[in-house]
Order: sequence, then structure tokens, then C-alpha cells
Amino acid sequence: GESVGLHLPTLSVQEGDNSIINCAYSNSASDYFIWYKQESGKGPQFIIDIRSNMDKRQGQRVTVLLNKTVKHLSLQIAATQPGDSAVYFCAVLDNYGQNFVFGPGTRLSVLP
Amino acid sequence: DTEVTQTPKHLVMGMTNKKSLKCEQHMGHRAMYWYKQKAKKPPELMFVYSYEKLSINESVPSRFSPECPNSSLLNLHLHALQPEDSALYLCASSPKGGGGADTQYFGPGTRLTVL
Repeated sequence: GESVGLHLPTLSVQEGDNSIINCAYSNSASDYFIWYKQESGKGPQFIIDIRSNMDKRQGQRVTVLLNKTVKHLSLQIAATQPGDSAVYFCAVLDNYGQNFVFGPGTRLSVLP
Repeated sequence: DTEVTQTPKHLVMGMTNKKSLKCEQHMGHRAMYWYKQKAKKPPELMFVYSYEKLSINESVPSRFSPECPNSSLLNLHLHALQPEDSALYLCASSPKGGGGADTQYFGPGTRLTVL
């Protein structure tokens, strides 16, 4: 089945710097990807999604990049703020195109 | 209404108790989900309801019993749980039934502790 991993379990950045969170997936046929943000004591919050027919998608201060050749997904956060501190999960649609497999998560800490 | 609500926020129960978790959405979504999340881990899918019918049961023990009374409500009935079942239980919904590339929106979760 699909497996999803992350390169770093934790990431610390200075306030105002850009953050990059990475995700690797195993199924080359996966065609839909979501990034979620989960703050302490809360449920995952949708940030941005991308379909396999795109390489890049931008939102407000966030950009998702998809490299299908190496099966790699990244989330870029511009001008990181203290409110961005959270755990970030990538979610990849599984082999059957039915449900999502979540990566293990990266905890982002923003330093003052 | 653009959110998924869950009650209660916290629940403590003994191993012989029977309790229920509730989830509600009024966005007209046709699929609803239960996930279990242990500390420092990602959410794990438990059940999927599509058009009010159970479509996926990810080999969950029978002490967890889901119910979908209508398209807006999803319950999870708990009976004879074990301490290792303590976790955050998340409900989610998505606009389309039938799975596929459909964004899931999560509720805040119920923090369950089994003594």
C-alpha cells in the first residue's frame, strides 16, 4: 500500500524566515495531496491541496510544490510567524484512490 | 455553517462503561469519517460512511461501533474499552461520497481517557 514519510520530524525557524517542510510518498499513481496544520489540542486544519496535474500551487503565504518524478511534496511558508507553530501533516490519496494516508508529521517551532 | 463539531471535548470512562461520541456537520457533505490519533502520531482511519452507509471499516475492534443516523450526524459508540484505546478521536467530513480526491475537513476531536 501507500506509505508516506517526512524528512524531518522537527523544524525550528526564526520568525520572519521562510519554512520548508518535506514529504515523500511511494505510489507514483497518487493524484491528490493535502497539507494539514494541527495546533495543540485541535483537529487538523486544511491548508492547501494540489492535484497531480500541477507542479505548484500558491495560497496566502503558503506554496505547495509537487515533484512527481521523485515522488516528493513540499510545503513552503513565507515569513513564518509564531502562529505557524504547529505539527504539519501531508496526506496522500492511497493506492485505491479511496482514502488518505497521512505522513508522520513535522513539528514546526518558530523562534522569536 | 462551515465546520465539523464534536461532543464531548473530553471524556473519561472506565473499562466497563458505555459511552458515545457525537459528530455533526451542516455543510451538506456526503461522506463522514472517524479517525483515531495517538500522541505524536498522525491520524489513523477507523470508519468511513458514504451516503449514510458504512463503506470502510479498517479492521477496528467491535468495542467501537459507528452509527450514522442521518447525513449530518455520526456517532461512535464505545463499550468495554481498554486503556490503550485512550486517544484523540477525530471526525471529518468531505463533500462527495464514494472516496477519491475529496478534501476532508476535521472537527476538533474528543480526547478520550480510559481508566
